[in-house]
Order: sequence, then structure tokens, then C-alpha cells
Amino acid sequence: EVQLMETGGGLVQPGKSLKLTCATSGFTFSTAWMNWVRQSPEKGLEWIARIKPKSTNYATEYAESVKGRFTISRDDSKSSIYLQMNSLKEEDTATYYCTRGGIDYWGQGVMVTVSS
Amino acid sequence: DVVLTQTPPTLSATIGQSVSISCRSSQSLLHSNGNTYLNWLLQRPGQPPQLLIYLVSRLESGVPNRFSGSGSGTDFTLKISGVEAEDLGVYYCVQSTHAPLTFGSGTKLEIK
Repeated sequence: EVQLMETGGGLVQPGKSLKLTCATSGFTFSTAWMNWVRQSPEKGLEWIARIKPKSTNYATEYAESVKGRFTISRDDSKSSIYLQMNSLKEEDTATYYCTRGGIDYWGQGVMVTVSS
Repeated sequence: DVVLTQTPPTLSATIGQSVSISCRSSQSLLHSNGNTYLNWLLQRPGQPPQLLIYLVSRLESGVPNRFSGSGSGTDFTLKISGVEAEDLGVYYCVQSTHAPLTFGSGTKLEIK
């Protein structure tokens, strides 16, 4: 059974940092493309980052809204991906989901609130 | 970025009624490899989205066959043939033909 579980969310002040983790199981993680998608009432569902497998040199892509502030990474030995979020803004407040490749499997999501 | 326009934004149906949701793309979703990467998701209240249909019309494993998808190019449709109570939630189309991946704004299905 494919499973994805996000952790690391919480309340953080504007300008601060937070790191999310997505632990996975039930599929061949090392060859999978992985994404972070967020959802807020204001913007709906928004894809924000993708990381590809080792065969692509772990190529990454970002949405313009987070480029330069967020970094996606992976650890194939732990079947996990990460999202390092720096210089957080109030508009980054959302539920963050990790998803596999073609947006077929989703984690339960984790809430990130950016507020002073 | 590709804009996906979903209509209607809300839909009210009785049990057993058939309904359709439209998803129109601002550009063709036909990839150069011949595939059309248009999926449909359902987000039930308090749950993450789940995949219903991929590649326009292919039913995800475990999804009831009352769900069907059709379309090509820029116009796509999700049909539910005989709505059931468990179908309530928000339906989204999502495309991954063009980067960045984009989502429709959603169609909320309510049960009368």
C-alpha cells in the first residue's frame, strides 16, 4: 500500500524558516518524481516544487511564488522528501501536501501558519 | 501558465442523478509524446484530494465505474452516472502536460 506522511508543520513568524518532511512507503521511491503541493482558501491548489530521480541528477523545479525561498530535496535511503522553507510570508499559510509523480497519491497534509 | 476553467463552480444533485463537470484549458493539453495529461481529483470534506481519472479517461484502480472522463485538446468532461452520497466533495481537474502543473478552481458537488 502506497503511503505518504507529512510532518513538520506549525506556526511560524514571518521571515522565519520551517522544514517539512514527507516519509513514504509502498512504492519504488528512488525512481519516482515527487512534488509538494499546497492548498489555501485564497489560492486553491497550487503546485510549488518537484524533484526528479537520481538519473536526472535530482533535477528540481519551483513555482515562481517560492523560487529562491524554498528548497526541495530527497533522501532515497529514507524514501523521504523535504521542503526547506525560508523567508516565510503570511501568504505561504496553507496546507502542504506531498504527492507522487503524476499527482496520483497524496499525503494527509500538514498545516503551516505564518503569522506574527 | 496553463489556466484550467471549471464549470459549474457548484452543483447540486439528487441521489441517482447523472451530472457532468467541464474543464477547459487555455491551451491544448496534447503532449508531443501523444499523451494528454489531464486528471480528475475528488477532495472529500476534511480529506486530501484523491485521484479518480488519469490521462483523460482512465479510471484509477478502485474507483467506481460510474465515474468517466472524456475530451481532447482543450475541452474535457467528468461525468458521474448515478450520483451516490459518498460522491459529495470538490472535484478538480489538473494538467501536467505543460510546466508548471496547474489545477482547476474546483466544482463543489452537493447532495440534495
